[in-house]
Amino acid sequence: DVKVTQSSRYLVKRTGEKVFLECVQDMDHENMFWYRQDPGLGLRLIYFSYDVKMKEKGDIPEGYSVSREKKERFSLILESASTNQTSMYLCASRTPGTGYTFGSGTRLTVV
Amino acid sequence: DAKTTQPTSMDCAEGRAANLPCNHSTISGNEYVYWYRQIHSQGPQYIIHGLKNNETNEMASLIITEDRKSSTLILPHATLRDTAVYYCIVRGHNTDKLIFGTGTRLQVFP
Repeated sequence: DVKVTQSSRYLVKRTGEKVFLECVQDMDHENMFWYRQDPGLGLRLIYFSYDVKMKEKGDIPEGYSVSREKKERFSLILESASTNQTSMYLCASRTPGTGYTFGSGTRLTVV
Repeated sequence: DAKTTQPTSMDCAEGRAANLPCNHSTISGNEYVYWYRQIHSQGPQYIIHGLKNNETNEMASLIITEDRKSSTLILPHATLRDTAVYYCIVRGHNTDKLIFGTGTRLQVFP
């Protein structure tokens, strides 16, 4: 089975910190995605990538950046964490012919 | 991508079939219907998808109406572990962006 692994389940960071959320998939997929999930708002796409060193903005990219130096790894970066970035962050990898495989999520709290 | 409408919540007795409806009246010809579910505190899990024909896999069946304006996800024998939020999503085959609505919260009770 495809595995999408997010490095942390829970994180607590201080306002202004630079935060790195790591995601690794093990099936050589080209496409990877970062979503955030908030109550009442569903999942919203932050950034996605179709290939190494390639990135595309999603619906809510402000305050975030991404890095894709290797095919299997897609990192989400909060340049200067703020309290409104407290959320569940979900990484996904595209599975050809079926759908997306999601990681278990990282619940980030910014204090 | 077409918008979908789902009931906010549903209940189902354990062992019975759970039928989850989804309306997608603005679906276009090349858009697929995807279903995912999310169990509390986990990432969404792919269930099934289809274009025109009904589909079945080890998890569920997908029934798409002839006009493709609605569909039903069927869990044939619901278990307590099927309690989750179920999302119906419509997207083009060459579009990678998934738009999740608020889904249907299915509660399976003993």
